[in-house]
Amino acid sequence: ETGVTQSPTHLIKTRGQQVTLRCSSQSGHNTVSWYQQALGQGPQFIFQYYREEENGRGNFPPRFSGLQFPNYSSELNVNALELDDSALYLCASSLAGGRSTDTQYFGPGTRLTVL
Amino acid sequence: AQSVSQHNHHVILSEAASLELGCNYSYGGTVNLFWYVQYPGQHLQLLLKYFSGDPLVKGIKGFEAEFIKSKFSFNLRKPSVQWSDTAEYFCAVNGYDAGNMLTFGGGTRLMVKP
Repeated sequence: ETGVTQSPTHLIKTRGQQVTLRCSSQSGHNTVSWYQQALGQGPQFIFQYYREEENGRGNFPPRFSGLQFPNYSSELNVNALELDDSALYLCASSLAGGRSTDTQYFGPGTRLTVL
Repeated sequence: AQSVSQHNHHVILSEAASLELGCNYSYGGTVNLFWYVQYPGQHLQLLLKYFSGDPLVKGIKGFEAEFIKSKFSFNLRKPSVQWSDTAEYFCAVNGYDAGNMLTFGGGTRLMVKP
């Protein structure tokens, strides 16, 4: 069984640039959630994708967007990067989506630094 | 809206000491509760979870947690910690009507001295 993988591991960008982060879900999982973990804080929910559609969103502006592909992998896109976007971005996969709940399994994260 | 509060930000213990980390949540309905652990340099791993049934749940590595509905609490315990338990611990809640969205507490950084 393959766990959740994310790429790249680290990324350095400058303010105003755009970034794309990638996530491959655990084998058999159809739901992907993205979280932002700022230094010294707990992860914060950005959004979730289920069956290729956004299925819930946290308190993040529209410049945070995503995609889910037919193989259930996902991308997180952030436009017009700001210094406060510097964080560890975590992807989690699970079996349930919609109104269901299920355990979420996390990937290693992508460390984004915005200069 | 759901929220989680972890009262202890930093805890330092000696090996063999007992551990209890506090977690309180706020949500007006049925909840699922989780404890995740993040060892240095590693990704978030599930320690244990409560969905329903026996409010005392046992997880990996000798950890357990008790769901006390009347206190909105889900405290994590371990009778005897080891140096290898040094890590950051996160409590998370998923409100039953909130879909599959986790809200995390701020985390507790545990250091176990050998």
